[in-house]
Amino acid sequence: AQSVAQPEDQVNVAEGNPLTVKCTYSVSGNPYLFWYVQYPNRGLQFLLKYITGDNLVKGSYGFEAEFNKSQTSFHLKKPSALVSDSALYFCAVRDMIYNQGGKLIFGQGTELSVKP
Amino acid sequence: GAVVSQHPSRVICKSGTSVKIECRSLDFQATTMFWYRQFPKQSLMLMATSNEGSKATYEQGVEKDKFLINHASLTLSTLTVTSAHPEDSSFYICSAKRDWSSYNEQFFGPGTRLTVL
Repeated sequence: AQSVAQPEDQVNVAEGNPLTVKCTYSVSGNPYLFWYVQYPNRGLQFLLKYITGDNLVKGSYGFEAEFNKSQTSFHLKKPSALVSDSALYFCAVRDMIYNQGGKLIFGQGTELSVKP
Repeated sequence: GAVVSQHPSRVICKSGTSVKIECRSLDFQATTMFWYRQFPKQSLMLMATSNEGSKATYEQGVEKDKFLINHASLTLSTLTVTSAHPEDSSFYICSAKRDWSSYNEQFFGPGTRLTVL
């Protein structure tokens, strides 16, 4: 079965420190991987994606993610966290099963809290 | 570009009434749209896949007669919650898959907060 796991419900980081939000996946074939951020009472905002090519993907707001095929991971990172980065983060993988319309499978979400 | 809107952003209704939520892709065509439901601080639960000109595909456990979906044009899908009850109160989010995108990129609406009294 295809799935996405975010093992941490919450990540706490001090402002200025690097942050990592973890994501592992299980799919058949080559994955299309995505990270989204959600602020309170808002929809999801796209951060970055991995389709093919370089394993290190750079996205919006200084975020980046590294695709690691051997570890089936796609961890989200940022060198220096900001208080404004505090939000709910979702990792997602495209459902690769034929005729599923390209729907996304979401992880459970990780709440990032950045303290001053 | 690639903006998706939802209307209304917030709705409060009485138990037993029906509520319609609109999802529009403003600057691109979307043959396929998705409807999600989200509880506080939880992940998105896919309810159904909406296809222009055909019936929606509902996920297991989602009542199709309760959550009516209509996708009448390439830029508009509607979700109608029929005979709403307090347990239907939730945050509903739609996304639109841009046609002609090589990897079926989805764009999300801002969400609709439904409160049923």
